[in-house]
Amino acid sequence: NAGVTQTPKFQVLKTGQSMTLQCAQDMNHEYMSWYRQDPGMGLRLIHYSVGAGITDQGEVPNGYNVSRSTTEDFPLRLLSAAPSQTSVYFCASRDRTSGVETQYFGPGTRLLVL
Amino acid sequence: AQSVTQLDSQVPVFEEAPVELRCNYSSSVSVYLFWYVQYPNQGLQLLLKYLSGSTLVKGINGFEAEFNKSQTSFHLRKPSVHISDTAEYFCAVSETTDSWGKLQFGAGTQVVVTP
Repeated sequence: NAGVTQTPKFQVLKTGQSMTLQCAQDMNHEYMSWYRQDPGMGLRLIHYSVGAGITDQGEVPNGYNVSRSTTEDFPLRLLSAAPSQTSVYFCASRDRTSGVETQYFGPGTRLLVL
Repeated sequence: AQSVTQLDSQVPVFEEAPVELRCNYSSSVSVYLFWYVQYPNQGLQLLLKYLSGSTLVKGINGFEAEFNKSQTSFHLRKPSVHISDTAEYFCAVSETTDSWGKLQFGAGTQVVVTP
């Protein structure tokens, strides 16, 4: 199993540009989520999904869109990037029947918005 | 809503010395508690967890933590650190009443181990 994969690893955007951060898992996990990590703030939940076609907002959803058309993929879209979205983004997944401690985290995407 | 406070942003420590990382939380309901480690340029890895039962929990790499309900704390300890323990450590909580199990993370503590 490849686990949780994220692409790209690094990205530089200009203010106002759009992009999609990709997240995929091959473990057939129902639950997937996106976090952002900022210095001195730990990880904060952006959006999460409990299954294909079902998404919900986390702690910091503004400026981000998600969709879940398949079990495997959970892309995060920035429609109009802002410097405040400069961060490291982590995707995570876990099985529905397992506890929250069994989350698998991806390696992260480092995003710089100029 | 719950919150997590990690009292030290950075902890320098000499190799083979003990280390303690402090974590306090607040919540109106009972919680599950976790410690994660993040090595440079990597994702998060679970170190240990407290779900119920014994308040002293042991994790990987020789780490342990003690849940203190009265003080709402979950401090992480290791009796003798190695250079390879240099990493950032995150305390996290999840409310037991949350069926999805959203994690609330602390700000992190950077541990720097020197020879």
